[in-house]
Amino acid sequence: KNQVEQSPQSLIILEGKNCTLQCNYTVSPFSNLRWYKQDTGRGPVSLTIMTFSENTKSNGRYTATLDADTKQSSLHITASQLSDSASYICVVSARGAGKSTFGDGTTLTVKP
Amino acid sequence: EPEVTQTPSHQVTQMGQEVILRCVPISNHLYFYWYRQILGQKVEFLVSFYNNEISEKSEIFDDQFSVERPDGSNFTLKIRSTKLEDSAMYFCASSELGGVETQYFGPGTRLLVL
Repeated sequence: KNQVEQSPQSLIILEGKNCTLQCNYTVSPFSNLRWYKQDTGRGPVSLTIMTFSENTKSNGRYTATLDADTKQSSLHITASQLSDSASYICVVSARGAGKSTFGDGTTLTVKP
Repeated sequence: EPEVTQTPSHQVTQMGQEVILRCVPISNHLYFYWYRQILGQKVEFLVSFYNNEISEKSEIFDDQFSVERPDGSNFTLKIRSTKLEDSAMYFCASSELGGVETQYFGPGTRLLVL
């Protein structure tokens, strides 16, 4: 069964600090991995998309890594801002299938 | 900047009633999706739609659900006979192409079944 596990479940950091969120998956055959940011009560917003051949992708202060061998991904946020407070969701899609498997998300709180 | 819009933002209905959730995808996008998120739970894929037909659907998308692109701009999700467990936030998304293209999500419709 395809699964996506994220850790930690929640995280509190001080403004300006960096943090790293983890995603492990068992989706096969792998097609792509996406990281989304979801503010409370809003739709997810795409941060990065990576395919099998990509091992890092940046979008401003967000940098995602992918290790397709160990089936792990991370999202690193640098110089956090209060507006980074949100749920960060890892989504993995299987090759040949349009449907995606979502993780439970990591709830990040950035405090002043 | 173009965005996906959804109406209504909130819908309250009685169990057993039919509801239609509406979405206007970004105009040049060809792939459309519905997702749902039960309160406090993860987002779940329901269905993807391309070229006026369903391309993928999940186990959740049973016979009580249907999708339609009635007029070339709207994309609708119909729930024929709502159940209490259909209460959730329903998100529409669209992408220019399928595969690894970015999906743009709408703001969602909060459905409450009483």
